[in-house]
Amino acid sequence: EDQVTQSPEALRLQEGESSSLNCSYTVSGLRGLFWYRQDPGKGPEFLFTLYSAGEEKEKERLKATLTKKESFLHITAPKPEDSATYLCAVRGGAGRRALTFGSGTRLQVQP
Amino acid sequence: SQTIHQWPATLVQPVGSPLSLECTVEGTSNPNLYWYRQAAGRGLQLLFYSVGIGQISSEVPQNLSASRPQDRQFILSSKKLLLSDSGFYLCACTARSYNEQFFGPGTRLTVL
Repeated sequence: EDQVTQSPEALRLQEGESSSLNCSYTVSGLRGLFWYRQDPGKGPEFLFTLYSAGEEKEKERLKATLTKKESFLHITAPKPEDSATYLCAVRGGAGRRALTFGSGTRLQVQP
Repeated sequence: SQTIHQWPATLVQPVGSPLSLECTVEGTSNPNLYWYRQAAGRGLQLLFYSVGIGQISSEVPQNLSASRPQDRQFILSSKKLLLSDSGFYLCACTARSYNEQFFGPGTRLTVL
């Protein structure tokens, strides 16, 4: 059974204070690791897909990296508008078409 | 790129009443469609997915059912709501040629 664990559950940063969010996973035949951003009361917004260890993707102040057991979402010099819940998900093999999600990290960036 | 519509946006229903939530997709044909439920402060729980018209797979036994009467329409239903059915319901879509899953705006359901 695919499993995803995200840490920390909540993170409070000062504006400009860089940090990283962790996503640990176990999956049979990784077919993609996904990062989403979710604002309160909204549906998740797609950020990145990573497929193999060593891969990196960047978007503005966000950078996602992947190893064989975990993924990190690095946030460089965050701004208050980066405040949101960040969700990690995996898609495994064996014909499974849906994603398995972690419970997310709630990020608050204070000005 | 695809656009996912969900309605209603919010719904308050009494225990024992029926439910019908609708999801429609624009901008892609023959997508895979999904229903998720998100409890407060929790991750997303997959409820149903569909790879085509009339083809529904259920992930967990529950009080809910799903139907796909048209290629880009996905409906979540219940005959009698329970208090435990309260939550944030999300419809998602994956285009055939892509791996990424995109989400609709969600429906907030409160069962009283």
